[in-house]
Amino acid sequence: AQTVTQSQPEMSVQEAETVTLSCTYDTSESDYYLFWYKQPPSRQMILVIRQEAYKQQNATENRFSVNFQKAAKSFSLKISDSQLGDAAMYFCAYRGSGYALNFGKGTSLLVTP
Amino acid sequence: DTGVSQNPRHKITKRGQNVTFRCDPISEHNRLYWYRQTLGQGPEFLTYFQNEAQLEKSRLLSDRFSAERPKGSFSTLEIQRTEQGDSAMYLCASSMTRTGELFFGEGSRLTVL
Repeated sequence: AQTVTQSQPEMSVQEAETVTLSCTYDTSESDYYLFWYKQPPSRQMILVIRQEAYKQQNATENRFSVNFQKAAKSFSLKISDSQLGDAAMYFCAYRGSGYALNFGKGTSLLVTP
Repeated sequence: DTGVSQNPRHKITKRGQNVTFRCDPISEHNRLYWYRQTLGQGPEFLTYFQNEAQLEKSRLLSDRFSAERPKGSFSTLEIQRTEQGDSAMYLCASSMTRTGELFFGEGSRLTVL
């Protein structure tokens, strides 16, 4: 079974600064997909960014970008120009050949003014 | 279509009672997922439907849990003889493709007294 590890239970960043959230995963598959989801307090989970393992280019969505290191099985999320609305739980997730999307335990991001 | 809808949003029950949750996915999505999330943890996969067929069930889904998706539209998750350990947020998600984005509902929170 694939496991997803987020080693940072909590992170803090000041508004307008940059923060990087870490994620590592364990798999023996070569073809898979990686995701970062955001879960604001008392609101539903939404997709932040998605990366296909076969693509060497790191995905970018506006202020959000990833550093995908396939050999190291690492998939970190960088948030630039942090905003108060970025405060949330962030979950890294892996999907391989199975149907399930497997999530890490999450990182709670606090954004301070 | 406003997204994935889950009902009820909150359910408080006594141990030993049965509860049922309903999920209405985005109408054009034929794939539906149930997850369970406890405080401070990431979502844990429970089961997956493609149209009306239940194609995967997690070992977390004990005999007391049953899920259905008649006619490939809405889905229900029933928990029989609830236990305190069943207290959690039950999340439903739907998607159009196997590797695409999952769209989540706001969840149904279960408290077992």
